[in-house]
Amino acid sequence: DGGITQSPKYLFRKEGQNVTLSCEQNLNHDAMYWYRQDPGQGLRLIYYSQIVNDFQKGDIAEGYSVSREKKESFPLTVTSAQKNPTAFYLCASSIRILDNTEAFFGQGTRLTVV
Amino acid sequence: GNSVTQMEGPVTLSEEAFLTINCTYTATGYPSLFWYVQYPGEGLQLLLKATKADDKGSNKGFEATYRKETTSFHLEKGSVQVSDSAVYFCALSKGEYGNKLVFGAGTILRVKS
Repeated sequence: DGGITQSPKYLFRKEGQNVTLSCEQNLNHDAMYWYRQDPGQGLRLIYYSQIVNDFQKGDIAEGYSVSREKKESFPLTVTSAQKNPTAFYLCASSIRILDNTEAFFGQGTRLTVV
Repeated sequence: GNSVTQMEGPVTLSEEAFLTINCTYTATGYPSLFWYVQYPGEGLQLLLKATKADDKGSNKGFEATYRKETTSFHLEKGSVQVSDSAVYFCALSKGEYGNKLVFGAGTILRVKS
């Protein structure tokens, strides 16, 4: 079945440590996105990528980094510079960045800093 | 810039009641409009969409009509079920801005039996 897989579902991190969240898609989509969701708030865009080896900052990129070495993979690293990293992180993909098509979402990773 | 405003929740209804969740948007041109649903602990699922004015999106008994004149995309369902309890997000996408969805804050729906 085609879809987006995020792992792990739950992640705990000590303060001061970097952590990487995985996102893989087998939908053959060009565009991929990372969103952050906080309680009672909508989704905010962290980074997005239109094609392999290209990515752009979203609205809240500070303290995060990404890579897009393969079409199907778009990992997100939460660095120690992110001041408030505890949140629910959602990865998404869409066919192309310039089409008004829907995005497909993974099941999310809940990150907790302890 | 582009933005989406949803009615605040939570919305609490009895089973079989009529549901309306209001959504208005600000955007230049003609964005595509979406409703996504999020069940507890899960990612978002597309519920319905509309890509041009006067289009009606529908799925699983839910409907929303793209109203350009009032810049609205209100979600409705004639008879809700307990299983509809979730968070509902209105969103827009505009190709020339990049297909980066802009979301509303979400509306929690609770349906009591």
